[in-house]
Amino acid sequence: AQRVTQPEKLLSVFKGAPVELKCNYSYSGSPELFWYVQYSRQRLQLLLRHISRESIKGFTADLNKGETSFHLKKPFAQEEDSAMYYCARSGNTPLVFGKGTRLSVIA
Amino acid sequence: EAQVTQNPRYLITVTGKKLTVTCSQNMNHEYMSWYRQDPGLGLRQIYYSMNVEVTDKGDVPEGYKVSRKEKRNFPLILESPSPNQTSLYFCASSFGDVPTGELFFGEGSRLTVL
Repeated sequence: AQRVTQPEKLLSVFKGAPVELKCNYSYSGSPELFWYVQYSRQRLQLLLRHISRESIKGFTADLNKGETSFHLKKPFAQEEDSAMYYCARSGNTPLVFGKGTRLSVIA
Repeated sequence: EAQVTQNPRYLITVTGKKLTVTCSQNMNHEYMSWYRQDPGLGLRQIYYSMNVEVTDKGDVPEGYKVSRKEKRNFPLILESPSPNQTSLYFCASSFGDVPTGELFFGEGSRLTVL
């Protein structure tokens, strides 16, 4: 089965500490990878996609085809980063989501 | 404003009482999909539609029906709801018949089945 794995259900970090949310995928072709974010009581929204290679709200993610990973990173976490984060993969099938990681940034 | 609109946002019902959650998008998107979100299980796809009159099962279709008679609407039907369908439901849409780009989500519908 072609899956997206987010190994951590919950990640707690202190404000100002670096953050890394892990995502691994399985796919035999050339995937497109995305990170979606859901802030408290809000709808899911796209945070970033690998193809655009941009930094959004200080977050970056690099696609590593050798390790089949797309980890989300931020050098200095802020309290407003506390949210649920979903990694997702597209290919020749509808978007597949991981189970999500809840990031809690402690002041 | 471009958006995906779901109704109702909150619903409490009883086992066996048929209900419909509506979803409408105003972006002329071909692709629409329903997900349920449960703690520890993340987002699971229920049904999706690549265009009008084209629907297909996702990962957890049991107990649900959908229809796509118009491009903008994609209602989710629970013919005989059961307590295990208590969940937070999200509708989403995307340009193109297979979402290789951004998915736009509705605000969610929280359903409780007693």
